[in-house]
Amino acid sequence: AQSVTQLDSQVPVFEEAPVELRCNYSSSVSVYLFWYVQYPNQGLQLLLKYLSGSTLVKGINGFEAEFNKSQTSFHLRKPSVHISDTAEYFCAVSDPVGSNYKLTFGKGTLLTVNP
Amino acid sequence: DGGITQSPKYLFRKEGQNVTLSCEQNLNHDAMYWYRQDPGQGLRLIYYSQIVNDFQKGDIAEGYSVSREKKESFPLTVTSAQKNPTAFYLCASSTAVRYEQYFGPGTRLTVT
Repeated sequence: AQSVTQLDSQVPVFEEAPVELRCNYSSSVSVYLFWYVQYPNQGLQLLLKYLSGSTLVKGINGFEAEFNKSQTSFHLRKPSVHISDTAEYFCAVSDPVGSNYKLTFGKGTLLTVNP
Repeated sequence: DGGITQSPKYLFRKEGQNVTLSCEQNLNHDAMYWYRQDPGQGLRLIYYSQIVNDFQKGDIAEGYSVSREKKESFPLTVTSAQKNPTAFYLCASSTAVRYEQYFGPGTRLTVT
């Protein structure tokens, strides 16, 4: 079965600093990868997705992620964060061809942007 | 606007009572899902449905039940058999399994 590891449960940064949220998944021949954001007491919103093609994926709110097959990683980055980016971020993976096709979520990374 | 609605936003029940959480989508999606979210544990899949009149258990189905009589609706019943029902419940839908899911705003259930 697929598994997802978000290496940092909390990431504090200052406003306008760059940030990277790390995500690693268990090895598979092929994967679909997703990043979601959750603001307090709300549902999850899709930030970006990788299905195929270019390994650098751009999403909403200035976020981007890079798919690295050899390192089985899909780290999320933003060059300059805002206070409003404070939220919890979830990485998710699905297997596009195998029997385990459900989305598997990581446990989340809480990003706190301080002034 | 297309989207997923969950009602109510907050729900309070006494222990021993069954409670049903509503989930409706107008995205014309075939697949729908229910997740439970507890602090520090991420999302755990309760049930999912790929098509009307069919559904499968997820990772933590014990104490829960669902129905899928219409494409737009996927209600979740939290039964009295669920030992620790207090949690944040999220409904989601997708065009098909494997692809990105779209989430509703969630229902926070408190059982005392």
